[in-house]
Amino acid sequence: AQTVTQSQPEMSVQEAETVTLSCTYDTSENNYYLFWYKQPPSRQMILVIRQEAYKQQNATENRFSVNFQKAAKSFSLKISDSQLGDTAMYFCAFMKPTGTASKLTFGTGTRLQVTL
Amino acid sequence: SAVISQKPSRDICQRGTSLTIQCQVDSQVTMMFWYRQQPGQSLTLIATANQGSEATYESGFVIDKFPISRPNLTFSTLTVSNMSPEDSSIYLCSVVLFQGQETQYFGPGTRLLVL
Repeated sequence: AQTVTQSQPEMSVQEAETVTLSCTYDTSENNYYLFWYKQPPSRQMILVIRQEAYKQQNATENRFSVNFQKAAKSFSLKISDSQLGDTAMYFCAFMKPTGTASKLTFGTGTRLQVTL
Repeated sequence: SAVISQKPSRDICQRGTSLTIQCQVDSQVTMMFWYRQQPGQSLTLIATANQGSEATYESGFVIDKFPISRPNLTFSTLTVSNMSPEDSSIYLCSVVLFQGQETQYFGPGTRLLVL
């Protein structure tokens, strides 16, 4: 079974600064997907970024980028120019596509606080 | 992405009763899932809602406790039966828009408190 580990329960960053959230995972699969989801106080789960394991290029979405190290099974999220609206729980998630039922396995989350 | 709505957004229920949560999508989707998020915890998959057939449940979840329906490609319900305080959680549905995309998009969640 796959496991996802987020070793930072809480982090804090000042507005406009850069922060990196860590995620490691354990799998014997070669083909899979990795995701970062954001959950603000509203509790809505919002997709931040997605990475296909077969792609060597790191995914980027505006201020959000990842550092995907397949051999090390590491998938960190970098948030540049942090904004107050980035305050949220961030969950790293793993998916092994199985055709008919692609299950997401989530890490325990990192609570990010952006301060003035 | 798609617009996903859930009803109710929150509810307070008495133990021993049942609550049905609805998930509606504004477009046809291939796959729908139900997750539970217990207080302060991460998300755990309850089951995959299959259109036209019985749901596929994860280990630790059973149909008698969490019956699921999916009558068409845009709608699903999750019932939490014979509730106890341990069922107090946020319940979220998610969808995969089309085969091969793999990304799951989530509804806003239903916050349930059982007294």
